[in-house]
Amino acid sequence: DGGITQSPKYLFRKEGQNVTLSCEQNLNHDAMYWYRQDPGQGLRLIYYSQIVNDFQKGDIAEGYSVSREKKESFPLTVTSAQKNPTAFYLCASSIPQGGTNEKLFFGSGTQLSVL
Amino acid sequence: GDSVTQMEGPVTLSEEAFLTINCTYTATGYPSLFWYVQYPGEGLQLLLKATKADDKGSNKGFEATYRKETTSFHLEKGSVQVSDSAVYFCALGDPYNTNAGKSTFGDGTTLTVKP
Repeated sequence: DGGITQSPKYLFRKEGQNVTLSCEQNLNHDAMYWYRQDPGQGLRLIYYSQIVNDFQKGDIAEGYSVSREKKESFPLTVTSAQKNPTAFYLCASSIPQGGTNEKLFFGSGTQLSVL
Repeated sequence: GDSVTQMEGPVTLSEEAFLTINCTYTATGYPSLFWYVQYPGEGLQLLLKATKADDKGSNKGFEATYRKETTSFHLEKGSVQVSDSAVYFCALGDPYNTNAGKSTFGDGTTLTVKP
């Protein structure tokens, strides 16, 4: 079955540590996205990529980094510069050519907590 | 800027009750409107969408009509089931119609349906 796989489901970060969240898709989608979800709030866009080897900052990119070396993969690194990293992180993908009418396909998320 | 305002939760209903979750928006242009649903510990799934004024989106007994005159996209279901318990997000598409991932999300409304 096609879909988006995020791992791990739960992740703990120590102070000063960088951690990387994995996102893999087999939908053959060009566009991929990372969102942060805090309790009782909507989704906020961290980074997005519309094509391999290219990515753009979203609304809250500070303290995060990404890479897009393969179409299928879009890992997110939460760096030590992100002072409040505890949140639920969601990866999504879409077909960019359809523009805003296209729906987003989401992974099942990674809960990141600080030790 | 663009924004989405959702009815505050949580909402608790008995099985077979009528559901309404209010959603209003402010936007430039004529964006598409979406409702997504999130089950516990999972990512979001598209529930329904409408791409222009007076369109009605429908799926699994849920409906929402794109009302330009009242800038609203309220979600309704005639008879809810326990399995409908989830968090519901209203979302506004990218006003420049270029990028599905740049949607604006509401804060979500938690629905609990009791038997």
